[in-house]
Amino acid sequence: QSALTQPRSVSGSPGQSVTISCTGTTSDVGGYNYVSWYRQHPGKAPKLIIYDVTKRPSGVPDRFSGSKSGNTASLTISGLQAEDEADYYCCSYAGSYTNVVFGGGTKLTVL
Amino acid sequence: EVHLVESGGGLVQPGGSLRLSCAASGFTFSNYAMSWVRQAPGKGLEWVSAIGGSGAITYYTDSVKGRFIISRDNSKNTLYLQMNSLRAEDTAVYYCAKPLYYFDSWGQGTLVTVSS
Repeated sequence: QSALTQPRSVSGSPGQSVTISCTGTTSDVGGYNYVSWYRQHPGKAPKLIIYDVTKRPSGVPDRFSGSKSGNTASLTISGLQAEDEADYYCCSYAGSYTNVVFGGGTKLTVL
Repeated sequence: EVHLVESGGGLVQPGGSLRLSCAASGFTFSNYAMSWVRQAPGKGLEWVSAIGGSGAITYYTDSVKGRFIISRDNSKNTLYLQMNSLRAEDTAVYYCAKPLYYFDSWGQGTLVTVSS
């Protein structure tokens, strides 16, 4: 069982928006503004798409956005494209002893 | 451009040892903490260990404490993970990643299989 809870799967049609949730506790998501999100295509390494809850690395399109409310963080992908079909993982800092914890991952299907 | 290349994975028997390496380039290696993250076959990501830029501070997830040792050689721009007393549940692709609280660069991963 992963430390952070994500839905197993979400789906959407091209051009639509989808939101993936990531629920933790006051010891991780709710306690720090250090939530990050990763996209992973099959057989590939993960790629950072959001860090520090809302920031996008250079090169990541503004179709990707992050937010947080209480113990739940969210990743929203607007204008869905076929290439967005992948697994998505959230990650949160959880203090100096634990360092970071990941969610179990969400499979996004573009219909 | 940041480049991370892992090596050293393979098949090892339970109780055995393996040392992973991660060669880094494209950034000032000694300025950054580095981490190891693993992914068991068909499963999610799991943070394993991290080390500060100087190598003085190290962090481990509970399941590998006392068995794994992370280290680095800043003169060689290389990160290491010494894995001892390996168990079947350590079977995974091991990625090196930069830096610590989030991971903006990843290697391609190296597969470690623990099986008799």
